[in-house]
Amino acid sequence: NAGVTQTPKFQVLKTGQSMTLQCAQDMNHEYMSWYRQDPGMGLRLIHYSVGAGITDQGEVPNGYNVSRSTTEDFPLRLLSAAPSQTSVYFCASSYATGSSYNSPLHFGNGTRLTVT
Amino acid sequence: AQSVTQLDSHVSVSEGTPVLLRCNYSSSYSPSLFWYVQHPNKGLQLLLKYTSAATLVKGINGFEAEFKKSETSFHLTKPSAHMSDAAEYFCVVILNTGFQKLVFGTGTRLLVSP
Repeated sequence: NAGVTQTPKFQVLKTGQSMTLQCAQDMNHEYMSWYRQDPGMGLRLIHYSVGAGITDQGEVPNGYNVSRSTTEDFPLRLLSAAPSQTSVYFCASSYATGSSYNSPLHFGNGTRLTVT
Repeated sequence: AQSVTQLDSHVSVSEGTPVLLRCNYSSSYSPSLFWYVQHPNKGLQLLLKYTSAATLVKGINGFEAEFKKSETSFHLTKPSAHMSDAAEYFCVVILNTGFQKLVFGTGTRLLVSP
């Protein structure tokens, strides 16, 4: 299994540009999520999905869109990039057992995004 | 509300000496707690998780953590540090009994010197 795969690894955008961060998992996990990691702030949840066709907002959803058309893929879209979105983005997935305690997250290796 | 506080942003140890990474939580009921590790340019990996069956939890790579309800703590320890332990460590609490509502601490960077 490849686990959770994120692309690209690095990206530089100009303010106002749009782009999509890709995330795919091959573990048949129902739950997928996007986090951003900023220095001194830990990880903050952007959006998550508990299955195909179902998405919901996390702690910091503004400026980001998601969709979940398949179990495997969970892309994160930046519609109009801003410097405040400079961060490292992590996709994570787990089994949907109804209890997050029993379903530790599996993380991708991250996408480092810089918005100038 | 539930939250988690990691008391040290950086911890420096020498190889072969003990490691202590501190974590305190606040919770209105019995929490679910985890420690994750992040090596440079990598995603996070689960080290261990708290189970109510045992207050001392053993994880991978020789790490363990002790749940102390009276002190609301879940400190991570290892008897003897190895160079490969150098990484960032995150204490995590589940926000509520709902699914995957995780709250991450701000992280502790462990530096190991020869």
